[in-house]
Amino acid sequence: ETGVTQTPRHLVMGMTNKKSLKCEQHLGHNAMYWYKQSAKKPLELMFVYSLEERVENNSVPSRFSPECPNSSHLFLHLHTLQPEDSALYLCASSQDQGISYNEQFFGPGTRLTVL
Amino acid sequence: QKEVEQNSGPLSVPEGAIASLNCTYSDRGSQSFFWYRQYSGKSPELIMFIYSNGDKEDGRFTAQLNKASQYVSLLIRDSQPSDSATYLCAAARGYQKVTFGTGTKLQVIP
Repeated sequence: ETGVTQTPRHLVMGMTNKKSLKCEQHLGHNAMYWYKQSAKKPLELMFVYSLEERVENNSVPSRFSPECPNSSHLFLHLHTLQPEDSALYLCASSQDQGISYNEQFFGPGTRLTVL
Repeated sequence: QKEVEQNSGPLSVPEGAIASLNCTYSDRGSQSFFWYRQYSGKSPELIMFIYSNGDKEDGRFTAQLNKASQYVSLLIRDSQPSDSATYLCAAARGYQKVTFGTGTKLQVIP
C-alpha cells in the first residue's frame, strides 16, 4: 500500500449506530487531518493531529470523536449521527504540522450515508 | 460573505485553449494559497501552491497571486480533455487554518 488509504470506502449507518472510519498513511508523515466534504459546500477541516496530539478541533460536534494511536493511523469514531452528516470524509497527511507550509496528501475518502 | 469565493462554473474551453480560473479570499492574514484538482468521485490532488505576489509556473500551469486585491488565479495552457475536473482554491493561515472554496468545474471540449 502506498500513500494514504481509508477504509471503508462506503458506509451506510442508522442514526443509532456506532461506527469508525480508519485512515492509514504510508508516507512517514507527522501530521494527519480529517476533512468533511458535503455536496455544494466547501471542504471543511475537522481535526488536525501532529505527532499524535490533537492540535485543532474546528467546532466539530461531539458525535464525531477522533483518535490517533500513532503517527501512521487516524480514526474517526461516529455515534448518533444525523442525516446531515452524510458526506465524503477525507483523511489527509503532511510531512509536518503547518497547513500553510506543507503539502497535504489526501486519501480516497469514505462516502458516508446516514439514514 | 464567503471566505474563499469561486465561480462554480462550468467553465467550458476548447481543447488547446487557455483556461483561466479565479478565486478571491477575505482573510488578509492568509499566507499560502493552493489549487487542487478533484476528478468526480476522487479525492483532491495538489496542483500548485503560491505564497508570494506574482506568478508561479509549473509546466502548463501558472498560479498568480495579488495580495492587495486578495485574488488568486490559475491558468492552464494548452488545455486537454484530461484537465476536465473541479478545481478547488484554498487559503491557509498559520498552522491550522485553511479555508476552501466550493470549486470551479472545468470542461475541456475536444
